[in-house]
Formats: sequence, C-alpha cells, structure tokens
Amino acid sequence: DAGITQSPRHKVTETGTPVTLRCHQTENHRYMYWYRQDPGHGLRLIHYSYGVKDTDKGEVSDGYSVSRSKTEDFLLTLESATSSQTSVYFCAIALAGGKGLYNEQFFGPGTRLTVL
Amino acid sequence: KQEVTQIPAALSVPEGENLVLNCSFTDSAIYNLQWFRQDPGKGLTSLLLIQSSQREQTSGRLNASLDKSSGRSTLYIAASQPGDSATYLCAVRPHYQLIWGAGTKLIIKP
Repeated sequence: DAGITQSPRHKVTETGTPVTLRCHQTENHRYMYWYRQDPGHGLRLIHYSYGVKDTDKGEVSDGYSVSRSKTEDFLLTLESATSSQTSVYFCAIALAGGKGLYNEQFFGPGTRLTVL
Repeated sequence: KQEVTQIPAALSVPEGENLVLNCSFTDSAIYNLQWFRQDPGKGLTSLLLIQSSQREQTSGRLNASLDKSSGRSTLYIAASQPGDSATYLCAVRPHYQLIWGAGTKLIIKP
C-alpha cells in the first residue's frame, strides 16, 4: 500500500459537464500518473507529473487536463465530459530515487466514471 | 512500436498446480518489466519488477523471468491457491510510459 486514495470512487455525470477526479498520496512521492482502463484497450496513460506544477501528456491526453499544486494531490479534469470518457480511472505513483519515472509503479483503487 | 502480448487470455487450473503465465514484447529496448495482478473491480497490485539487467525476481511463491533478447517474460506461480485467482498483467517500460499487455485471467479451482 503506497498510501494512495482516489475520490470519488464512483461518479455518474452528464455529457458536457466538467468533472474533476482527485488522487491523494500521503508519502510524498514525486512521480504521479493518471491512467484509464477500458475493455479492449487495456491501460493507457493520460497525463503524468514529475513534481509540483510539472506535468506532461501521455498517449490519450485529448479532453483531459491535470494540475498538481501540492505534492500530495494530482487532479484530473474532464473539461466537458463525453460518453467516450466513460471508463475506470487509475492514479499511480512511482517511488523516488533510482530511475525516477522508470521506477516501479503502485496504483490507487480507481474511480469508475460513467458519462451519460 | 512496442507491443505486448499475453497468452493465454484465460487459464483455469486445479488448486495446487504450478503454472506459468507468458508475456512477450516486440522491442527489446526496455528499462524494466513489471507484473501486476488485478482482482475484479479493484485496482492493480504490483507483484514484481525486473530491471533490464536482471534475469529473474522472486517473491514468495512467485518467480518472474526476463529474456530481453527474445522479448519474453514468464511469471511462475508455485502451488497455486484459489486466492491466486485474478487477472495478471505485464507491462514493459521502453521509456517513462508503461506499455501494457491485455492480461491473463487466471482461475484456480478448489
């Protein structure tokens, strides 16, 4: 357990509304990631962060933005949710030191988002 | 483009058997490979991480091997138990981003 929590755990929203998912970690990890998991596509990286206010895009970043104003919180925002963003969203951290972003990753419990 | 394949997609074995899960990848230029398990409706649990310079890693009844030159990794589970039932995912790291296999769904029958 790497001290990762995600909120909310479940959310149902309507197309066109903004949605923010929160990832919170208690152990001061530097590297944080947002993934989505969909049947037939596996896990795909949305955005990642390598420090406070330092973020970058992953392979499926369109329609998503992130912010990290504190080490412990990494927020994922769907600015105008679409049905194609219905998915399970996972936050992950990588331990510091060694190879940094290449280190072993540990995952949060996930958020199931449904966009109607 | 790196691709990761896990075969079989599903596997059902009686309790107590030793078993091997396979993971293959198309590009040997990786930093490391990580094995995870995922229980239904739950998050992912990291099982083992193998660095590119390593041949194998062990944790309890689990042993993971890596043959970079042939683009293969195996996860060996000894003396399987019903609690091992889950989906097992492997992921390779060619750069900062993990590339994932689709997983093997494992069922251990009591």
